[in-house]
Amino acid sequence: NAGVTQTPKFRVLKTGQSMTLLCAQDMNHEYMYWYRQDPGMGLRLIHYSVGEGTTAKGEVPDGYNVSRLKKQNFLLGLESAAPSQTSVYFCASSYSSRGNAKNIQYFGAGTRLSVL
Amino acid sequence: LAKTTQPISMDSYEGQEVNITCSHNNIATNDYITWYQQFPSQGPRFIIQGYKTKVTNEVASLFIPADRKSSTLSLPRVSLSDTAVYYCPAYSGAGSYQLTFGKGTKLSVIP
Repeated sequence: NAGVTQTPKFRVLKTGQSMTLLCAQDMNHEYMYWYRQDPGMGLRLIHYSVGEGTTAKGEVPDGYNVSRLKKQNFLLGLESAAPSQTSVYFCASSYSSRGNAKNIQYFGAGTRLSVL
Repeated sequence: LAKTTQPISMDSYEGQEVNITCSHNNIATNDYITWYQQFPSQGPRFIIQGYKTKVTNEVASLFIPADRKSSTLSLPRVSLSDTAVYYCPAYSGAGSYQLTFGKGTKLSVIP
C-alpha cells in the first residue's frame, strides 16, 4: 500500500546541472501535481496533469518541465538548475478534481533539493 | 480569485480543545472544504472534508455555517503530537484545478 512515492529523497546539484524527479502513484488516480515548498511558505503549484498525456502550468512553472507518459507516473525535470530552485518538492495525486468528494490530494514524502 | 484566510499561528496547552477558523472568500457553489495537516519534514496529509454543517471523524470535527463563508476545524484534547501546520486550501478561480494552500496555521501544543 505505497500510495505516492517520490524518488530521490535528497539531491544536491551544481548550478546548470539537470535532473528529473520521479513521482509514482499506485491508486489509479487521474490527477497528479507537483508543488514546491520554501521555508515559512505554503505549497506552490508548479505543474499539474489531469490525465495521462496531459500537463498544464501552475503558479510557478518557469524553469521546470513535466511529462505524464503513463497514468501512474509524473516526472518533474529541471533542465538547468539554479540556486533559486533549492526547495522541497512534493508530488500529489487525486482521484478527481474540484466539485467532487473524491478530490482529496494524497502527498508523497517529498524530495529535498539543494542547488549550489 | 478565491482565497482563504487563516491565523498564522496558535498556541495551546495539552488537553485543550483547539479551534482554527478559515474564511473562504468567493468559494464556488460546488467546492468542498478540505483541511490538511503537515508535520515537519513530511508531506501534507488530508484530515477532514465537508460541504455543509458538521462533519466528524476520528481526528477532528469540521463546522461549516450555512453561508459557507468560513469553516472551523476543531481538534479535541490536543496532545504534543498535534503540533503541525494546518491548511484550508482553496481553488484559485472558476474552472481552475489549482489548489492554493497559503502559509497555513502553525499550531504549537505546549506541555
